[in-house]
Amino acid sequence: GAGVSQSPSNKVTEKGKDVELRCDPISGHTALYWYRQSLGQGLEFLIYFQGNSAPDKSGLPSDRFSAERTGGSVSTLTIQRTQQEDSAVYLCASSFIVREKLFFGSGTQLSVL
Amino acid sequence: ELKVEQNPLFLSMQEGKNYTIYCNYSTTSDRLYWYRQDPGKSLESLFVLLSNGAVKQEGRLMASLDTKARLSTLHITAAVHDLSATYFCAGAANYGQNFVFGPGTRLSVLP
Repeated sequence: GAGVSQSPSNKVTEKGKDVELRCDPISGHTALYWYRQSLGQGLEFLIYFQGNSAPDKSGLPSDRFSAERTGGSVSTLTIQRTQQEDSAVYLCASSFIVREKLFFGSGTQLSVL
Repeated sequence: ELKVEQNPLFLSMQEGKNYTIYCNYSTTSDRLYWYRQDPGKSLESLFVLLSNGAVKQEGRLMASLDTKARLSTLHITAAVHDLSATYFCAGAANYGQNFVFGPGTRLSVLP
């Protein structure tokens, strides 16, 4: 596609359930990022993938969060045993190469009840 | 560790007025990015500033970079309501995830 695609756009789940968020970056983009944005707040870095290198997981808030990127393309962010404080917009971004400007997806609004 | 600050965090201005948003960063960053986020929307790239003294302009927005002062500015000329949004700057770290975002400046342009 022409842009970064994220699905679902909205996800409502119950506390304790697992969720999977998907990101399909722009074709050919080697770098992929996940950020979290709480209401009215800035961007919180979660994880970064660059080519075939080991991902930078330094921003993941707990071991309930994990992400993978298959075949250097699609990425999935998984949150296990969701908590109410996980409620936020999860943004995915990609760039052609490292340190080039980011193209953001429209985000997934996660609500944990 | 690169840290990025912005001020002001909130800005309310009248149409037709000029104003500047400031972005300070703590350590060496050889490029600086500006993004815009409309309410309920995602982020859109505005400018990438690649070197000291770089200046870029798009419509009523002009961004500049002073790497010696570790300062970037986003100047708004003759503001219009359509510019109401949150503006983020981001520095480029030479490690890990590379991008460090500021907290954002929420701009409201009033008629």
